[in-house]
Amino acid sequence: SQKIEQNSEALNIQEGKTATLTCNYTNYSPAYLQWYRQDPGRGPVFLLLIRENEKEKRKERLKVTFDTTLKQSLFHITASQPADSATYLCAPINDYKLSFGAGTTVTVRA
Amino acid sequence: NAGVTQTPKFQVLKTGQSMTLQCAQDMNHNSMYWYRQDPGMGLRLIYYSASEGTTDKGEVPNGYNVSRLNKREFSLRLESAAPSQTSVYFCASSELAGVAYEQYFGPGTRLTVT
Repeated sequence: SQKIEQNSEALNIQEGKTATLTCNYTNYSPAYLQWYRQDPGRGPVFLLLIRENEKEKRKERLKVTFDTTLKQSLFHITASQPADSATYLCAPINDYKLSFGAGTTVTVRA
Repeated sequence: NAGVTQTPKFQVLKTGQSMTLQCAQDMNHNSMYWYRQDPGMGLRLIYYSASEGTTDKGEVPNGYNVSRLNKREFSLRLESAAPSQTSVYFCASSELAGVAYEQYFGPGTRLTVT
């Protein structure tokens, strides 16, 4: 069955550093992958979509890579700020439906 | 422009009771979705409606029914609630059902079944 794994532990980093989150998937081959941000008590908010032929996508301080050979996506937050503290969800897309990972919680210390 | 709204925000049910979760969007989106989120498991798709007049099962449909009332509204019904349905329920919408379309989520309904 399809499986999505994100960093199993929370990430605590110092303000200004780069946070790198990992999303690994198995038993399927999505051609697209989305990343969402979720704050406590709120619904997820869309951040980025990357296609399999794009390899890398950037939006402001965010960068996403997509390696279909490794079946992995990396999500980077550069020059991190306390306001970046949240849970980040990856969602590989299969058959027009999103499948979400459990998320990685990031805490940025001032 | 409220986006996606859900009611109620919180609900406590006893085992066997029924209830309907309401969802509405004002973005003129064609597709709508219901998810549940449990600790450590990520969001799981219950049902979705690719367009008005159609509904399809997702990953975990057992124990639920849905109604796409019109283009704006998509409701989720629990006919006989069970403790295993204790969860946070999210409604979402997208312009179309397709890989390139981002989903917009509501604030969620926190349901406890005792």
